[in-house]
Amino acid sequence: DAGVIQSPRHEVTEMGQEVTLRCKPISGHNSLFWYRQTMMRGLELLIYFNNNVPIDDSGMPEDRFSAKMPNASFSTLKIQPSEPRDSAVYFCASSARDFTGSYEQYFGPGTRLTVT
Amino acid sequence: AQKITQTQPGMFVQEKEAVTLDCTYDTSDQSYGLFWYKQPSSGEMIFLIYQGSYDEQNATEGRYSLNFQKARKSANLVISASQLGDSAMYFCAMRETGNQFYFGTGTSLTVIP
Repeated sequence: DAGVIQSPRHEVTEMGQEVTLRCKPISGHNSLFWYRQTMMRGLELLIYFNNNVPIDDSGMPEDRFSAKMPNASFSTLKIQPSEPRDSAVYFCASSARDFTGSYEQYFGPGTRLTVT
Repeated sequence: AQKITQTQPGMFVQEKEAVTLDCTYDTSDQSYGLFWYKQPSSGEMIFLIYQGSYDEQNATEGRYSLNFQKARKSANLVISASQLGDSAMYFCAMRETGNQFYFGTGTSLTVIP
């Protein structure tokens, strides 16, 4: 089975440009999470969706960041305009929302973003 | 208050020895889940083990076991017979009702040959 798919795997862009990160969760999973990881701040939850609806976006750093989940099989994280401090690895993860089992999060391989 | 606390930024263990990575959590939910993930230098996040709040027995998965002490709100990971490939960052995480996940700051484990 395919795991969580993220694209691109690497992105290098100039300050001020728009960046769009993409994620395809595991089929059948109805929760999706976006994380950012840096050496300084560790792993930060940015936003998560249940059944395509954003539940908690309190981790989104500022208005330059936006996330959408138009359907159960696709989500985007957009940064506009990008800044050098946005450089990080961005992970997407998905899980099944049910309390009868472990339902761990499955992580994608991450997108390494570099903003110059 | 921090939801997940990992107090050991770095740990060293001799190959073939056992090591315990500490994790404490904070929640008022009755139903929650506790997880450990491994992140090797290659960067991927790998699920290791899960413990449900109602599980009375400690979870085990091969060389990994979770020492769950509910009254103390601790969920320590025990790795037995450490191998060089166990060198990685280890993250403790908790899932609360509503499927909100919280991660700790991680512990860097180095296995010494």
